[in-house]
Amino acid sequence: DAKTTQPPSMDCAEGRAANLPCNHSTISGNEYVYWYRQIHSQGPQYIIHGLKNNETNEMASLIITEDRKSSTLILPHATLRDTAVYYCIVKDGGATNKLIFGTGTLLAVQP
Amino acid sequence: NAGVMQNPRHLVRRRGQEARLRCSPMKGHSHVYWYRQLPEEGLKFMVYLQKENIIDESGMPKERFSAEFPKEGPSILRIQQVVRGDSAAYFCASSPRSTGQETQYFGPGTRLLVL
Repeated sequence: DAKTTQPPSMDCAEGRAANLPCNHSTISGNEYVYWYRQIHSQGPQYIIHGLKNNETNEMASLIITEDRKSSTLILPHATLRDTAVYYCIVKDGGATNKLIFGTGTLLAVQP
Repeated sequence: NAGVMQNPRHLVRRRGQEARLRCSPMKGHSHVYWYRQLPEEGLKFMVYLQKENIIDESGMPKERFSAEFPKEGPSILRIQQVVRGDSAAYFCASSPRSTGQETQYFGPGTRLLVL
């Protein structure tokens, strides 16, 4: 089972920041938080990941709380092309490496 | 730098036939993962392979499904005697290694339809 909880859906106005929350209260010390998105049944697209510190790349920022029990993915200026299902995944840093997808958050960016 | 490639993109089979799905990982990647997405559901892990080795097949159905990743050539997911319940999107992902924070990159998927 997925170790994360996400709201099933969210709306965001085009051009505004989209903040997608994720709860992972049972995360352990060596587990990373990964974010992927899936645009209308395409292959999942990697967005960002982190362990303890906040991370930023060209796509998004990831804010992880100090106790690591929750995180927020931030898309700074959402566009219509960002409409997708966003998956927050907790992954063991060990050898198994498999991703366990939950139900994700459907982000609908409105014009 | 080409990404993960899967073929065919769409595959139609009649009940009882065999389906073969191919996955070529990204250049430099030697680890391959297969996931299945049933209609209106999330992705489920099936199997994890390195070259010539199956590392984790905990998500594979016990019968009719097999996977391989030979020394040369693509990884193959094989479904024998397909049934309508096998209709799904099958995604392959690859990574350069398996430890730590290795990111998996996904292909576009193969949509299997069983008539």
